[in-house]
Amino acid sequence: GAGVSQSPRYKVAKRGQDVALRCDPISGHVSLFWYQQALGQGPEFLTYFQNEAQLDKSGLPSDRFFAERPEGSVSTLKIQRTQQEDSAVYLCASSLGWGGRHQPQHFGDGTRLSIL
Amino acid sequence: KNEVEQSPQNLTAQEGEFITINCSYSVGISALHWLQQHPGGGIVSLFMLSSGKKKHGRLIATINIQEKHSSLHITASHPRDSAVYICAVRSNTDKLIFGTGTRLQVFP
Repeated sequence: GAGVSQSPRYKVAKRGQDVALRCDPISGHVSLFWYQQALGQGPEFLTYFQNEAQLDKSGLPSDRFFAERPEGSVSTLKIQRTQQEDSAVYLCASSLGWGGRHQPQHFGDGTRLSIL
Repeated sequence: KNEVEQSPQNLTAQEGEFITINCSYSVGISALHWLQQHPGGGIVSLFMLSSGKKKHGRLIATINIQEKHSSLHITASHPRDSAVYICAVRSNTDKLIFGTGTRLQVFP
C-alpha cells in the first residue's frame, strides 16, 4: 500500500519479555517518528530519525527502549524486559522533507501492545 | 500545565449542528496540526497550519499565532464525524507535541 504500515497490529507479551515493533514508512520519506499513546491520552513523542540517523531520542522513557533505522527506510522499535506500564499504542509516522519541516506527518494504524 | 490544551474534552452533538473544538498552546511552534483518530488507532492528518485559515469540505481550521490559539470547526456535522480530534503543535525542534484530544460523538 501507499501508506505507513506497522506490524504487528496487536501484540500481547508477558512481563519481562522483549518485543519488536516494525514500521514501514512511505517510500522516499526522509523523516520517521515514533510516538507512544497511553489509553485515553494523546500521543507522546519517543524518537525521530532523519534517514538512518537518530537525531532525537529524548522521549524514550528508559534504556529498555531502543529504536533503529539502519538503511534509512524500515524502522524497528524494541522494548526489552517489558513492564506493564509499557502497555500502549505505539504509532509511527513519516514525512517527506528534511526534519519534516512544513511537511505533514503521515501516521500508521499503530501497534497495540498489551503486557500481562 | 500541559503545553497543548484542548477543550472540550468530550462533545456530543446532534446531526447538523455546527461544532467548534479549541486548542491553546504555550510553546513556540513552526506549525499546528489537526488530526482525526478513529477507534482502533488510525490517525489521519486533517490540516497543517502556520497562519490564517484553511478549509476542506465541511472542516475549517483557524489559527491565531499572537494568541497561541487554534480552532477546528465542523459545519453540518454527521455521525461519521464521530472520532477523537487531536491538536498537535510542531515545536521548533520538529517533534509533535499533542493535546489529549476531544472525543466527539454526533447522534442522528
